[in-house]
Amino acid sequence: GENVEQHPSTLSVQEGDSAVIKCTYSDSASNYFPWYKQELGKRPQLIIDIRSNVGEKKDQRIAVTLNKTAKHFSLHITETQPEDSAVYFCAVYYTDKLIFGTGTRLQVFP
Amino acid sequence: KAGVTQTPRYLIKTRGQQVTLSCSPISGHRSVSWYQQTPGQGLQFLFEYFSETQRNKGNFPGRFSGRQFSNSRSEMNVSTLELGDSALYLCASSLQGAREKLFFGSGTQLSVL
Repeated sequence: GENVEQHPSTLSVQEGDSAVIKCTYSDSASNYFPWYKQELGKRPQLIIDIRSNVGEKKDQRIAVTLNKTAKHFSLHITETQPEDSAVYFCAVYYTDKLIFGTGTRLQVFP
Repeated sequence: KAGVTQTPRYLIKTRGQQVTLSCSPISGHRSVSWYQQTPGQGLQFLFEYFSETQRNKGNFPGRFSGRQFSNSRSEMNVSTLELGDSALYLCASSLQGAREKLFFGSGTQLSVL
């Protein structure tokens, strides 16, 4: 079955710096890669996604890159702000279900 | 448009009991999936229902079951509760399935004593 690894598990950055979270997957048949953000005590919300026919996607300060050959994809947040502090989950669509990574707790210090 | 609603918000049960959780999806959404969230384990897929049929199942024991009604509302049942079942149970709805944006509910926090 599919296996999703997410690193790092925690990440602390200074406000204004960039943050990068990386996920690797095992099955080349996987073809949809969303990222969800979960603020403390809140429900997860989709922030960006990418499909396997695209290498990069941007939405303001957030971008996702996909390397199908190496089977990894990354979330990039530029100019981080305190409101970016949350747990971020990557996910991989495989055999009609989403497999989530274990999450990265991002803390942005002012 | 109302979001995904889960009830109850909190539950406290003892070992051996059973529990039923409810999820009302966004109007028009036919897919409802359930996830178990525990610290350090992320979100683990339980099952997905689409048009009243279980379309997919994760690697959980048979004590975990679910169903979906004709109005797309879904219930999840856990029988013979164990301490390890303590978790936040999240449901998510979408129009067609997991290959598109999922809308999550606030979850049901289950504590098994």
